[in-house]
Amino acid sequence: NAGVTQTPKFQVLKTGQSMTLQCAQDMNHNSMYWYRQDPGMGLRLIYYSASEGTTDKGEVPNGYNVSRLNKREFSLRLESAAPSQTSVYFCASSLDRGGSNQPQHFGDGTRLSIL
Amino acid sequence: QKEVEQNSGPLSVPEGAIASLNCTYSDRGSQSFFWYRQYSGKSPELIMFIYSNGDKEDGRFTAQLNKASQYVSLLIRDSQPSDSATYLCAVKGNTGFQKLVFGTGTRLLVSP
Repeated sequence: NAGVTQTPKFQVLKTGQSMTLQCAQDMNHNSMYWYRQDPGMGLRLIYYSASEGTTDKGEVPNGYNVSRLNKREFSLRLESAAPSQTSVYFCASSLDRGGSNQPQHFGDGTRLSIL
Repeated sequence: QKEVEQNSGPLSVPEGAIASLNCTYSDRGSQSFFWYRQYSGKSPELIMFIYSNGDKEDGRFTAQLNKASQYVSLLIRDSQPSDSATYLCAVKGNTGFQKLVFGTGTRLLVSP
């Protein structure tokens, strides 16, 4: 059982380049999330998808777009990468659609450096 | 004021001792509380969750919740060097679709 799988694990980009981070879960979870983690800032929510077909902004959405491709997959796109987007990105999923108490389960993360 | 606050640490305890990690939250309507462990360079791993006032025990871990005082704590008994990690507290509200709000974590160091 793989859980939440993120690709790639590491990536180096130049300023202005674009890329898509991929996330897939095999737990039949309804909700999926993208976070970034920076030193001293903790985990900050970028975007989330409460259920298949819906996406919403989190705390720090600027510079990112997302796609909930199907129930399993939720991708994060950087259209024009900036050095401020250097971070560790985590995808997570949870069973609930909302209003319930299900925990989130995290992928291994993508370490992204923007030069 | 941060919504979820944790002392960044490090909290240093000797092997075999009890480690006590604390977390306070500002939203009085919060209903669900989660503790995650994160080793350096790794992803957060769920340890425990608690919804009701009081204590919840799972092996060497005990989560304690006091909604009136708006704090949640994690006790680790018989601490081991392998428990050395950053512990993240996360809080969730109870209306509609609620997102987790994370604290910045407490770093725990268990010395042999």
